[in-house]
Amino acid sequence: KQEVTQIPAALSVPEGENLVLNCSFTDSAIYNLQWFRQDPGKGLTSLLLIQSSQREQTSGRLNASLDKSSGRSTLYIAASQPGDSATYLCALLISSGSARQLTFGSGTQLTVLP
Amino acid sequence: EAQVTQNPRYLITVTGKKLTVTCSQNMNHEYMSWYRQDPGLGLRQIYYSMNVEVTDKGDVPEGYKVSRKEKRNFPLILESPSPNQTSLYFCASSFTGRQPQHFGDGTRLSIL
Repeated sequence: KQEVTQIPAALSVPEGENLVLNCSFTDSAIYNLQWFRQDPGKGLTSLLLIQSSQREQTSGRLNASLDKSSGRSTLYIAASQPGDSATYLCALLISSGSARQLTFGSGTQLTVLP
Repeated sequence: EAQVTQNPRYLITVTGKKLTVTCSQNMNHEYMSWYRQDPGLGLRQIYYSMNVEVTDKGDVPEGYKVSRKEKRNFPLILESPSPNQTSLYFCASSFTGRQPQHFGDGTRLSIL
């Protein structure tokens, strides 16, 4: 059974810092990996999706990498802003036949201090 | 506007009283899914549906039912709710399940 771990559970940084969030997983037989953002009282917003054949994806100040062999993904946030404060979740999709199962990590709660 | 709509957003009810949480999407997505989110356990998949009349169990299906009679709707049914089903529930959809999923804003259920 896939297990997904996110470290650290919480992170506080001053505005302007570059930071890295980590996601590790136990089963490398994944279809893709997604990073989501969750704001308090809200649903999840998809940030980046990396296919299993890809190594990284970029969107603006965000860069996500995937290393299936080591079971790790990182989300890099450049020049952090207070508006980046949220919980960040990684999720792995297992897709086999008609199965589509998404397994989430517990998230990293990020606070960017002005 | 593309969206996934859940109702109700909040519900407090009692053990054993049947309830339904509705989910509707306006993006013509084939894939829809339900998750519950609990402190320390994260988000866990309850059920998902690949298309009309096609549903399958996720990781924690016990105590829940779903139906998919129309493409846009995917209600979550708790036939006899119990306190351990107190949680924050999310519905999500995507075209085939392999694309980024769009999430609703969540339904907070409290079962007393």
